[in-house]
Amino acid sequence: GAVVSQHPSRVICKSGTSVKIECRSLDFQATTMFWYRQFPKQSLMLMATSNEGSKATYEQGVEKDKFLINHASLTLSTLTVTSAHPEDSSFYICSARERDKDYNEQFFGPGTRLTVL
Amino acid sequence: GQNIDQPTEMTATEGAIVQINCTYQTSGFNGLFWYQQHAGEAPTFLSYNVLDGLEEKGRFSSFLSRSKGYSYLLLKELQMKDSASYLCAAMDSNYQLIWGAGTKLIIKP
Repeated sequence: GAVVSQHPSRVICKSGTSVKIECRSLDFQATTMFWYRQFPKQSLMLMATSNEGSKATYEQGVEKDKFLINHASLTLSTLTVTSAHPEDSSFYICSARERDKDYNEQFFGPGTRLTVL
Repeated sequence: GQNIDQPTEMTATEGAIVQINCTYQTSGFNGLFWYQQHAGEAPTFLSYNVLDGLEEKGRFSSFLSRSKGYSYLLLKELQMKDSASYLCAAMDSNYQLIWGAGTKLIIKP
């Protein structure tokens, strides 16, 4: 089956630092990757949609200069949280849609838990 | 606007059957997904319905009525490991997933 990995799985950082999260599709090519954020006991909130080779599309209320997304290849997308603050502490999850598939399923990575001190 | 409604929490007994309902309103429709999410983990795919009717997959079944904007997830022979949140998500005309807040299912022995 389609596998998506994320790295790191857990990160603790000081306020003001930047954190990069990688999302990789391991056994398929993903033309589209999605970045979600989930706060405790809440549903997934889509942050942005990233298409390979083009700029990401951000959801309303998500600062594109704070959450930098790069989708440089068909198997890798990165999310960089710049100048992180405690309110950015959350569970960040990526998902990927397989290229040329009629089926609309998104395959999720295992998530990255970010704690900003 | 776009909206997904599902119950916040449900409780059921091990070995029993439980039905989790979901109603949706979206701009266009490209299918209804159910995901399972254990605490602290990412969602895992359970089912996808785009046509009306019941899709059965082992102990889990999912039903869709497009005319009613309604779906349910049916879990049979409940096991303790089924304790999790179950997320309903509808895909709109732009192929974006609109997520419900999830239903926390508690299984009691």
